[in-house]
Amino acid sequence: NAGVTQTPKFQVLKTGQSMTLQCAQDMNHNSMYWYRQDPGMGLRLIYYSASEGTTDKGEVPNGYNVSRLNKREFSLRLESAAPSQTSVYFCASSESSGFAAFYGYTFGSGTRLTVV
Amino acid sequence: DAKTTQPNSMESNEEEPVHLPCNHSTISGTDYIHWYRQLPSQGPEYVIHGLTSNVNNRMASLAIAEDRKSSTLILHRATLRDAAVYYCVETSGSRLTFGEGTQLTVNP
Repeated sequence: NAGVTQTPKFQVLKTGQSMTLQCAQDMNHNSMYWYRQDPGMGLRLIYYSASEGTTDKGEVPNGYNVSRLNKREFSLRLESAAPSQTSVYFCASSESSGFAAFYGYTFGSGTRLTVV
Repeated sequence: DAKTTQPNSMESNEEEPVHLPCNHSTISGTDYIHWYRQLPSQGPEYVIHGLTSNVNNRMASLAIAEDRKSSTLILHRATLRDAAVYYCVETSGSRLTFGEGTQLTVNP
């Protein structure tokens, strides 16, 4: 039961470098999400994909891009990393479609990103 | 966006019930109320969710006020493994909006 798998688990980037965070789920879920969590705070939504082929901005999308590659995979790209993007990034998925949160969400274990 | 209000911290003793409150005054009629918990250095874990009626599962119970402006997560017998940050989450469509949560400490 893999659930939601995120790679890498840890990453250190220099300011201005780019990287892609990978997320895959094996539960045949419709919707997928990317959140960031700064120290001592709750999670903030970056981008989400309510179904395969669609993506939408969340609360804090600036500096990020996403790709819903297929139903299983949803990647998050930082084109030019900044120290303000130092955070823990969580991917989540749900059987819910875009209309309502009928079902619970499954989260990955996170990617801890430091930008120096 | 939806916003919930929870106490910053609560304490309980092992094997006693715990009632975690949440206010969600901006919730709309069709939005679900979800609860998640997060252990240190882990991703959030789904606990329970509901719309209007009280809900029970193997982990907890969820009591939803008649006007839906508040809810209470009930852990029937707290264990040391229940020590975590508990998030009451409002939904907007399928989007979850997290507040800062309640840090639950369980004393042996």
